[in-house]
Amino acid sequence: DQQVKQNSPSLSVQEGRISILNCDYTNSMFDYFLWYKKYPAEGPTFLISISSIKDKNEDGRFTVFLNKSAKHLSLHIVPSQPGDSAVYFCAAVSYNTDKLIFGTGTRLQVFP
Amino acid sequence: EPEVTQTPSHQVTQMGQEVILRCVPISNHLYFYWYRQILGQKVEFLVSFYNNEISEKSEIFDDQFSVERPDGSNFTLKIRSTKLEDSAMYFCASSGGRGNTEAFFGQGTRLTVV
Repeated sequence: DQQVKQNSPSLSVQEGRISILNCDYTNSMFDYFLWYKKYPAEGPTFLISISSIKDKNEDGRFTVFLNKSAKHLSLHIVPSQPGDSAVYFCAAVSYNTDKLIFGTGTRLQVFP
Repeated sequence: EPEVTQTPSHQVTQMGQEVILRCVPISNHLYFYWYRQILGQKVEFLVSFYNNEISEKSEIFDDQFSVERPDGSNFTLKIRSTKLEDSAMYFCASSGGRGNTEAFFGQGTRLTVV
């Protein structure tokens, strides 16, 4: 039951360039979406979120875009830095539930 | 910066033994969660806890699992009789609200069942 999908297991980007991480979902009940970053041996760290009533949310170098009709969201990191190298998880939640549904993650590597 | 802390960081136990994983959520948070990540798989929801009772649980959270908030600060996950397939990273999380409020995660406890 893959309600949240991250189809790219890995992404490699040069420092200074844009990183675009993608996420698709199937459940139309989802109304809030979050991105988490995870380093090895650590827990997920919250990055940025977006409500379904918006199509864009920006926080510094991080911007999340939501396309509800396509059930697709993306995380843009500009400019990418080597410290951004980590696994990025997309997560979604419905208004009537407490649980986050996570995607499988995308491993981002930013090289100099 | 407030954070969620989990102990121990690594627990090795024999199959059939009971384990208790401990968490100290962020102090003013009201909602508490356990998630787990089996190696190579995605992070999966186990249970949420609010107002001293379970508010939601997944099909993974069967009778061998229980949660408790024994005092005002700790939040524990007990696995009564561990199985090999319980080996995973277990993450505790807390949030100030439900659903559309960001959950903050601890660093995890790696449980290895042998």
